[in-house]
Amino acid sequence: GAVVSQHPSRVICKSGTSVKIECRSLDFQATTMFWYRQFPKQSLMLMATSNEGSKATYEQGVEKDKFLINHASLTLSTLTVTSAHPEDSSFYICSASGRTLAKNIQYFGAGTRLSVL
Amino acid sequence: AQSVTQLDSQVPVFEEAPVELRCNYSSSVSVYLFWYVQYPNQGLQLLLKYLSGSTLVKGINGFEAEFNKSQTSFHLRKPSVHISDTAEYFCAVRNSGNTPLVFGKGTRLSVIA
Repeated sequence: GAVVSQHPSRVICKSGTSVKIECRSLDFQATTMFWYRQFPKQSLMLMATSNEGSKATYEQGVEKDKFLINHASLTLSTLTVTSAHPEDSSFYICSASGRTLAKNIQYFGAGTRLSVL
Repeated sequence: AQSVTQLDSQVPVFEEAPVELRCNYSSSVSVYLFWYVQYPNQGLQLLLKYLSGSTLVKGINGFEAEFNKSQTSFHLRKPSVHISDTAEYFCAVRNSGNTPLVFGKGTRLSVIA
């Protein structure tokens, strides 16, 4: 199956700093990437959808100035948590889909555990 | 809009016993249905999917699920579970096109030796 690589797997940062999370499709062109957030023992909540060549579409309640998403190329999307605060601590997961992949299938990265002190 | 309900938040089961994890969905349009498994501190792995055709779909690790349109259900089953099946299981739905998945709240399967 298709491989999605997400880095870093775990990051600890001080409050007020910014953190960048990368999501790469290794063997396919990701025309669409999705960013999810997962709180402990809860489900995945969609944060934003990023289509190739377009600005990301954010879900209601997600601050676009705080969670900056860049779909820089067909194989890379980044999520930057700006001025992170302890309440931003969470598990962030990206997923990707592409034209050459099986239809309607999203492939997920391994996730990033963000801890803000 | 679509929604997914996983009726059981936790399911404990003894090793080698059968298990069923329940999932119901609501949607005003045709949907595609998925089951994902998540091991601790990891991303999601696709177990199986229903896109069209046979309503009984088989996935990895011996799991299968049956799509029941009249009951709007997509329950996941395994005839004999192993300790290694202990994980969080998510049911998800999406409609046609490149729309995002909508997830249920998850079911924690705990297999007891």
